[in-house]
Amino acid sequence: NAGVTQTPKFRVLKTGQSMTLLCAQDMNHEYMYWYRQDPGMGLRLIHYSVGEGTTAKGEVPDGYNVSRLKKQNFLLGLESAAPSQTSVYFCASGAGEKLFFGSGTQLSVL
Amino acid sequence: GNSVTQMEGPVTLSEEAFLTINCTYTATGYPSLFWYVQYPGEGLQLLLKATKADDKGSNKGFEATYRKETTSFHLEKGSVQVSDSAVYFCALSVYGQNFVFGPGTRLSVLP
Repeated sequence: NAGVTQTPKFRVLKTGQSMTLLCAQDMNHEYMYWYRQDPGMGLRLIHYSVGEGTTAKGEVPDGYNVSRLKKQNFLLGLESAAPSQTSVYFCASGAGEKLFFGSGTQLSVL
Repeated sequence: GNSVTQMEGPVTLSEEAFLTINCTYTATGYPSLFWYVQYPGEGLQLLLKATKADDKGSNKGFEATYRKETTSFHLEKGSVQVSDSAVYFCALSVYGQNFVFGPGTRLSVLP
C-alpha cells in the first residue's frame, strides 16, 4: 500500500537551475497539494489541484509551477531555483477532510 | 483570513508526564479542527480530528476538545512515552478544503 510517493527525497541545486518534483498517489483522490515546510513557519500551501487537469495557487505560489495531467500525479516545477526555495517540500492528497502526506523532499539551493 | 496559533516549542518532558499543547484558531465559517503528527524523517499523519463544537477527538491516548467559545483545540495526553517524540501540528479546514496549519510544536520525551 504505497499511499503518497514523492521523488526525489533529496536534491541539491545551484541558483538558476530547474527541476521537477514528482508526487504520485494510488488512492484515487481528487485533491492534491504541494506544501513547503520551513522552520517556525509550519506548512505553507504552494499550489493545489481539485482534479485532473486543474490547478490553483495557494499561499506562496511565486517561483513554482504545477501540472496535473493525470489524476494520480501532481508535478511541482522550479524553473529557476533561488536560495529562498531551500526547504522541505511535502505533497499530500485528500479524501474529504483527511490528508495523506508523502515523506518529503529536502531541497537545497546553493 | 483563517489562521492557527500554537504554543512555541520545543517542549521537553520526562516519560509518564502530562502533556498539553495549546492551539487557538481564527476562522470564518465552521471549521473542522485537526492535530497532525510528524515523526522524524516522515510526512505528517492525522492524529485526531473534531468537526463541530464540543466534539472530542481521541487517538493513541491523545485527546482534544473543540471549544468554540474559546476558539481552542488543545492537545492533551495523560502519560507521554519516548515514542511520542515528534512535531505536532494543529490545523483547520473549512468545507474540507484549503487546510491551514500552525507552525508546529516539537515534543521531546526523555526516558
